[in-house]
Amino acid sequence: DAKTTQPNSMESNEEEPVHLPCNHSTISGTDYIHWYRQLPSQGPEYVIHGLTSNVNNRMASLAIAEDRKSSTLILHRATLRDAAVYYCILFFSGNTPLVFGKGTRLSVIA
Amino acid sequence: ETGVTQSPTHLIKTRGQQVTLRCSSQSGHNTVSWYQQALGQGPQFIFQYYREEENGRGNFPPRFSGLQFPNYSSELNVNALELDDSALYLCASSGGREILNEQFFGPGTRLTVL
Repeated sequence: DAKTTQPNSMESNEEEPVHLPCNHSTISGTDYIHWYRQLPSQGPEYVIHGLTSNVNNRMASLAIAEDRKSSTLILHRATLRDAAVYYCILFFSGNTPLVFGKGTRLSVIA
Repeated sequence: ETGVTQSPTHLIKTRGQQVTLRCSSQSGHNTVSWYQQALGQGPQFIFQYYREEENGRGNFPPRFSGLQFPNYSSELNVNALELDDSALYLCASSGGREILNEQFFGPGTRLTVL
């Protein structure tokens, strides 16, 4: 079972920042927080991951709460291309697979 | 660098038939994972192969089986198809046994069972 909780859907205006929340209250000390997104008619694609510290890459930023029980994916300027389902996944290194929940469907309005 | 490719794109089968789906991993990757995604749901893990051996399995019956070849391409076989097997089947490749690094997904094969 997925160990994360995300809102079913969110809406954003184009070129506005978007904050996608994720709760993971049962996270263990060895779980990494991964985010993937799935654009329409495509397979999921990796966005970002982190363990304890906030992370930035060319696609997004990841803000992790101090107690690690929640995190937020930040898209700094949403574009129409960012409309997708975003999945927050806890991942333990090794042979464990990705466990997807239902994710958050992000709609971007022009 | 070639990405993950899957074939066929779409497939229609009838209940009771057998199907084989194919996946070509990204160059240099030796691990492949297969997922089933029902409409409106997130992908569900079927199994993973590492260097031609099954390396983990999700909650799927034995009629779901797979192979990984020396060139790290892979097949998913499903026997005795059921209506509930209708879904998008995704394969994902990654660089090694430690899959902390990102997984690269193909576009999927849409299977419809009538």
